[in-house]
Parts: sequence; C-alpha cells; structure tokens
Amino acid sequence: EPEVTQTPSHQVTQMGQEVILRCVPISNHLYFYWYRQILGQKVEFLVSFYNNEISEKSEIFDDQFSVERPDGSNFTLKIRSTKLEDSAMYFCASSTSSYNEQFFGPGTRLTVL
Amino acid sequence: AQSVTQLDSQVPVFEEAPVELRCNYSSSVSVYLFWYVQYPNQGLQLLLKYLSGSTLVKGINGFEAEFNKSQTSFHLRKPSVHISDTAEYFCAVSVLNYGGATNKLIFGTGTLLAVQP
Repeated sequence: EPEVTQTPSHQVTQMGQEVILRCVPISNHLYFYWYRQILGQKVEFLVSFYNNEISEKSEIFDDQFSVERPDGSNFTLKIRSTKLEDSAMYFCASSTSSYNEQFFGPGTRLTVL
Repeated sequence: AQSVTQLDSQVPVFEEAPVELRCNYSSSVSVYLFWYVQYPNQGLQLLLKYLSGSTLVKGINGFEAEFNKSQTSFHLRKPSVHISDTAEYFCAVSVLNYGGATNKLIFGTGTLLAVQP
C-alpha cells in the first residue's frame, strides 16, 4: 500500500541553524500539507501546497519557513533559522483532492538545542 | 473560523467494555469530519471520515462515528475495546471548499484512550 514517507525521523540542531525536512508524498497525490505537533499539544496546520504554489498558510508559517517541491516527488519544509520553540514533531500529508482524506507520514521529530 | 473540542483528555476503560470519545465542532459553514488515531511514536492514521450521506460512519478496527448536525457533534464509538486500541484519538474538521484549493485540517486536542486489562 502506498504511503507518505519522511526523512529524517529525528533531527537535532542548534538554535539558529537551518534545517530541511523531507517528505515523499504518495505518487498520484496533488495536494500537500505540513503540520506540526509540539509535545503534548494538538496537531497544528502550517501550510498547504497545490499546483506548485502555497495555497494557504497559518500564522505560524512566518518568513523563517518555506516549502518547495524541487523535483516532482519530494516536498520539503525549510526552517531558515531555528528557534527553541520550533522543537516539535513535523508531519507531512498528501491527498488526491482538496476534499478527500489526507494521508500522513510518520513524522520528523525536530529538536532545537 | 472553525474549532474542534474534545472535552475528555483521557478516557480509561476496561478491555471489552464499550467506549465513546466525544467531539464537538464549531463552524458557520459545512464541514468534513474525520477521526485520526495516533499510536505511540507513530504518525496519524485515518479511522473514519464523514463527507456526506449516511450520518453513521463505519471505520477501521471496529470503530464508528455518528454525525449530528443539530448538536454539531461527531462522537466516536466502539462496542468492545481491546488493549491494542490504546492510543491518542484526534477529531478533525475541514471546510468544504468548492474552489479547488487545499483544505487544511483543524484538530482537536486529542483524547488518550487507555484500555486496561
């Protein structure tokens, strides 16, 4: 069964460093999302992406964040200068249509020291 | 704006007992409704969804949920739980969007279902 994959599973970085979180969505999906879950809190929407552009972004998704689909298969989330409060589990999701279910990857745990 | 409320942060239950996890939502427009499950150290897995049609929705692992528009609820139920059902359960909504743009999911705070032997 096709699934969303994410790498790395765990990323440790120093405050101020750039990180890139990678996702490979399911191959025939067209809609892509990033969510994050701070430890013990609910899952929060960050950004959605369709037709090679951002469709919607949350207040969390400020200028330090960017997304890219560089090669038609990967979907990346970049944090330019990480802060302590960026420590969270980051989930990638994809779907075939805007109204259908989103399939989630296993997540990348980002720890900022 | 839409919001989701899961009043119970934790629900302890004995194995083979029935369980109901409550979810209420707030929205001025029609929504799609979802329940996701998160097992320890894993990602989110879809249990079931309501898009339209029958208000009683059956999902995986013997779970079902009923959409009640008048009460703006989408409670999750299982008639007999198993130890392996121990996990965090998240209710989520997304807004109907006919424009073709993406639909973000808005999650509740989650309910930890703790099944005891």
